Amino acid sequence: EADIYQTPRYLVIGTGKKITLECSQTMGHDKMYWYQQDPGMELHLIHYSYGVNSTEKGDLSSESTVSRIRTEHFPLTLESARPSHTSQYLCASSAGEGYTFGSGTRLTVV
Amino acid sequence: QKEVEQNSGPLSVPEGAIASLNCTYSDRGSQSFFWYRQYSGKSPELIMSIYSNGDKEDGRFTAQLNKASQYVSLLIRDSQPSDSATYLCAVYSSASKIIFGSGTRLSIRP
Repeated sequence: EADIYQTPRYLVIGTGKKITLECSQTMGHDKMYWYQQDPGMELHLIHYSYGVNSTEKGDLSSESTVSRIRTEHFPLTLESARPSHTSQYLCASSAGEGYTFGSGTRLTVV
Repeated sequence: QKEVEQNSGPLSVPEGAIASLNCTYSDRGSQSFFWYRQYSGKSPELIMSIYSNGDKEDGRFTAQLNKASQYVSLLIRDSQPSDSATYLCAVYSSASKIIFGSGTRLSIRP
């Protein structure tokens, strides 16, 4: 059973809106990650954190931002959504090297 | 050259046969290797990890690692239709990050 939760599961939103995708884990993991994945395509790392108050940009340039104020919480924010942001966003956490993924948020910007 | 390479497939295997999935990686300093299964529209799920040369078996799954050849493979014995998914090879690099391959689509035909 997954101990990492993402909300919302699906989101359709208009261009220009500000949105926050939520990710929480109850495993006490220090490391958390955000990936973007288009259907049938590979995972792209967009942000990661190795602990509270630590955030880094990933390999894929993204207009989103993240914060890590609490160990269990790693939200991702888009200040102004655009159709190019339409994708699936996956959150993951780990204590060591293997990752546990959340169920994902499928975002559609219209 | 990609850091983790997989044949994108699709790989079609008859039910009951052995499915063989292959992966090569470029970072010789990598020490940990993982296989994830991802069903369409779902998030990746960790199914195997391997850390030392040789074979590691778990039920119908066998992971094989050859660090000298920088090669990881996953064998699925007695393939079932429920094994139809995309299989992601992941390598924990010497830069302390997991690098995912682009995945191999596996289709088990009845």
